[in-house]
Amino acid sequence: AQKVTQAQTEISVVEKEDVTLDCVYETRDTTYYLFWYKQPPSGELVFLIRRNSFDEQNEISGRYSWNFQKSTSSFNFTITASQVVDSAVYFCALQMIYNQGGKLIFGQGTELSVKP
Amino acid sequence: GAVVSQHPSWVICKSGTSVKIECRSLDFQATTMFWYRQFPKQSLMLMATSNEGSKATYEQGVEKDKFLINHASLTLSTLTVTSAHPEDSSFYICSAEDRWAYNEQFFGPGTRLTVL
Repeated sequence: AQKVTQAQTEISVVEKEDVTLDCVYETRDTTYYLFWYKQPPSGELVFLIRRNSFDEQNEISGRYSWNFQKSTSSFNFTITASQVVDSAVYFCALQMIYNQGGKLIFGQGTELSVKP
Repeated sequence: GAVVSQHPSWVICKSGTSVKIECRSLDFQATTMFWYRQFPKQSLMLMATSNEGSKATYEQGVEKDKFLINHASLTLSTLTVTSAHPEDSSFYICSAEDRWAYNEQFFGPGTRLTVL
């Protein structure tokens, strides 16, 4: 069975600190996508990144970076120099490419609070 | 970019009434749409997969007679919560898969349902 685990329920940091959100996934499929979404208080999901299982290159986008390691089934997300606007719930998600009809399996979410 | 709308954005209804939520893909065609439910402080859980022109596929534990899904066109899917009760109060989010971009899903802004 497929599963996504975000062990950190809540994280609180002070502005300008770096913070890493952990994501561990389980699947027997070899082809899949991994995602990160941001959900601010408004509720709308904001897409951050999609990573193919065959692409283990790390990615950096501004203050955001992602570390994908198939060996440990992890897809961690780091925010550098955090800002108050980064406060939100962050979800990691897994999608099988050829099975499960394209549905997304979400982790429990990590609520990030960045204090000024 | 791909835009998905939901209507209404919020609704308050009395117990026992039915509520219809619309999900529209505004600038692309979607053969598949997904309906998720999110209770406060919880993750998104898939309720059903809606395929244009055919019956929806419901996840285990979701009552198909209570949550009626219709996907009559390539741009519109509707979710009707029949005989709503307070325990149905939740945040309902749809996503639409671009028919020409396999596994490319776009989320709507969500509908907050409150049943009194």
